[in-house]
Amino acid sequence: KAGVTQTPRYLIKTRGQQVTLSCSPISGHRSVSWYQQTPGQGLQFLFEYFSETQRNKGNFPGRFSGRQFSNSRSEMNVSTLELGDSALYLCASSYGPGTANEKLFFGSGTQLSVL
Amino acid sequence: GEDVEQSLFLSVREGDSSVINCTYTDSSSTYLYWYKQEPGAGLQLLTYIFSNMDMKQDQRLTVLLNKKDKHLSLRIADTQTGDSAIYFCAEKGARGKLIFGQGTELSVKP
Repeated sequence: KAGVTQTPRYLIKTRGQQVTLSCSPISGHRSVSWYQQTPGQGLQFLFEYFSETQRNKGNFPGRFSGRQFSNSRSEMNVSTLELGDSALYLCASSYGPGTANEKLFFGSGTQLSVL
Repeated sequence: GEDVEQSLFLSVREGDSSVINCTYTDSSSTYLYWYKQEPGAGLQLLTYIFSNMDMKQDQRLTVLLNKKDKHLSLRIADTQTGDSAIYFCAEKGARGKLIFGQGTELSVKP
């Protein structure tokens, strides 16, 4: 079974631009979560989608948004990029709520650099 | 609120046991997890424990849970240089999302 796939692997943008990151979950997984990882703040939860609906949301500004498609693939978008948005963005998938143990499986991440 | 804390660094010699500690605050956590992250990679699920268990063993890994003190530990027996990585403790919070600690960087010296 293929793992969680994130594209692109690396991205360089300039301040003020917008960016879209993509995540394909493990086959059969219906929940996708996004995390931001930085050296200073560690792993911070962005949001979680299940069956095309946002189930949970972290404490990030409205510039960060996401969506999930009917095939469970997910995208996250960051508008009006700031230098502080430079980070590794990790996507994780699971079967979803209601399962006995929502083990999260992570992709390798998208490394975003904002110049 | 939900918070998970870990010490930042641990250094051991190859062949020794490593013990990585973690404390959490959410007493309603149902599952607690240990993840490993190698340089340039995502997080790899190592093991997990259900909150009604005290201990779980999986080959070289032993997880101990003290629910009263909200303390979780991961013991790696016979630590190898390939175990050098950052280890994250995580709890499944009340709203179902995973809350991660800051990560413990394990350095294994030959």
